[in-house]
Amino acid sequence: AQSVTQLGSHVSVSEGALVLLRCNYSSSVPPYLFWYVQYPNQGLQLLLKYTSAATLVKGINGFEAEFKKSETSFHLTKPSAHMSDAAEYFCAVSEMAGANNLFFGTGTRLTVIP
Amino acid sequence: DTGVSQDPRHKITKRGQNVTFRCDPISEHNRLYWYRQTLGQGPEFLTYFQNEAQLEKSRLLSDRFSAERPKGSFSTLEIQRTEQGDSAMYLCASSPNGLSYEQYFGPGTRLTVT
Repeated sequence: AQSVTQLGSHVSVSEGALVLLRCNYSSSVPPYLFWYVQYPNQGLQLLLKYTSAATLVKGINGFEAEFKKSETSFHLTKPSAHMSDAAEYFCAVSEMAGANNLFFGTGTRLTVIP
Repeated sequence: DTGVSQDPRHKITKRGQNVTFRCDPISEHNRLYWYRQTLGQGPEFLTYFQNEAQLEKSRLLSDRFSAERPKGSFSTLEIQRTEQGDSAMYLCASSPNGLSYEQYFGPGTRLTVT
């Protein structure tokens, strides 16, 4: 069974500061891992994905995440926060084979302070 | 490529009424997924189709819920005898065959049951 834990339901950073959103996963089989962003009243947009290739994954809008199997983590980072990064971020896990339906965490709301 | 579209975007209904939502996936995407998202939570998987075949249903999908994808293109999700607990955002996603982990989400349909 797969599950995702996102530590911190709310994270606030100053504009220009480092963004770090935490995600730990549980999976009995090799996982695919994803980060999605959701702006108010909108659907989810894929930021980046890990699919067993490089462990450091670069995504859109300057975000990246590193897959660490020993820590069962897939934390999302961005070196310098921008006001437009304010949104809800979801980490998700899926099996490498099968239906590939996604299991989401409960989300982290990022606030960027000017 | 116009993305995944969903209709309506918002629906307010009285308890006990039936509602139907529509999802149009990205053209030529074989797989289509339905998720439900309640306030403060991540999306939860409901069901998925490969072409017209419904291959998996979550236990969240009670007998009052039915989904179809009659020609392997658009899909409908019907909820009969709605209850207040059905109030949520209903999200549709699609993915191409062979890359089923890469899901593209629509904007969602927000259902409010009064």
